[in-house]
Amino acid sequence: GENVEQHPSTLSVQEGDSAVIKCTYSDSASNYFPWYKQELGKGPQLIIDIRSNVGEKKDQRIAVTLNKTAKHFSLHITETQPEDSAVYFCAATYSGGGADGLTFGKGTHLIIQP
Amino acid sequence: KAGVTQTPRYLIKTRGQQVTLSCSPISGHRSVSWYQQTPGQGLQFLFEYFSETQRNKGNFPGRFSGRQFSNSRSEMNVSTLELGDSALYLCASNPGDGSPLHFGNGTRLTVT
Repeated sequence: GENVEQHPSTLSVQEGDSAVIKCTYSDSASNYFPWYKQELGKGPQLIIDIRSNVGEKKDQRIAVTLNKTAKHFSLHITETQPEDSAVYFCAATYSGGGADGLTFGKGTHLIIQP
Repeated sequence: KAGVTQTPRYLIKTRGQQVTLSCSPISGHRSVSWYQQTPGQGLQFLFEYFSETQRNKGNFPGRFSGRQFSNSRSEMNVSTLELGDSALYLCASNPGDGSPLHFGNGTRLTVT
C-alpha cells in the first residue's frame, strides 16, 4: 500500500517568513495530493490540493509543488501569520472517482513566532 | 451550507463495551469516510460508504464496522472496546466523484 513520509515534524518560523513542509510517497499510482490544516479541537480542513497532471498550484500565500519522478510534493506558505499556526498534514491516494482512502503523513506542527 | 456534523463530541466507555458514532454529511454528499486519529499512528482510513454500500476499507479488525442510511447519514460501530481504541474518530464527506473530502470535528472516544 501507499506510504507517506512528512518532514519536519515541528517547524518554527518568524512571523512574515516562509515555511516549507515536504512529503514523499511510495506508490507511483497515486494521483491526488491534498494538504490539510488542523487546529486544536477541530477536524482537518483542506487548504490546497494538486493532481498529478500539474506540477504546481497556488492560492494566495499558499502553493504546492509536485515532482512525480522523485515522488515528492511540498507545501509552501509565504508571509506567515499567527493564524497559520496549526498542524499540517499531507496525504496521497489514487483517486479513481470515489473517495478512495487517503494515506496521511504524520503531520507537521507549524509554530509562528511573533 | 452546514458542514459535516458528528455526534457525540466526547464519549467515555469501558473495555469490552461497544459504541456507536454518528455522522451527518454535507447536504448532497453521498460518500462518507471514517478515519481514526491517534498521536502514535496519525490519521488512518477505516472505511468509506457510498449509496449505502461499503466501497473501500482500510486495515482495521472486524470489530470496526459501519453503515450508511438512505439519507447518506452514517454510523460507525466498535465492538468489544480495547484501550487502544481511544482516539479521535473523524468523518468526512464528498459527493462521491473524487472531489476533496470535508471533515467533521470528530468524536473523541476514551476507553478506560
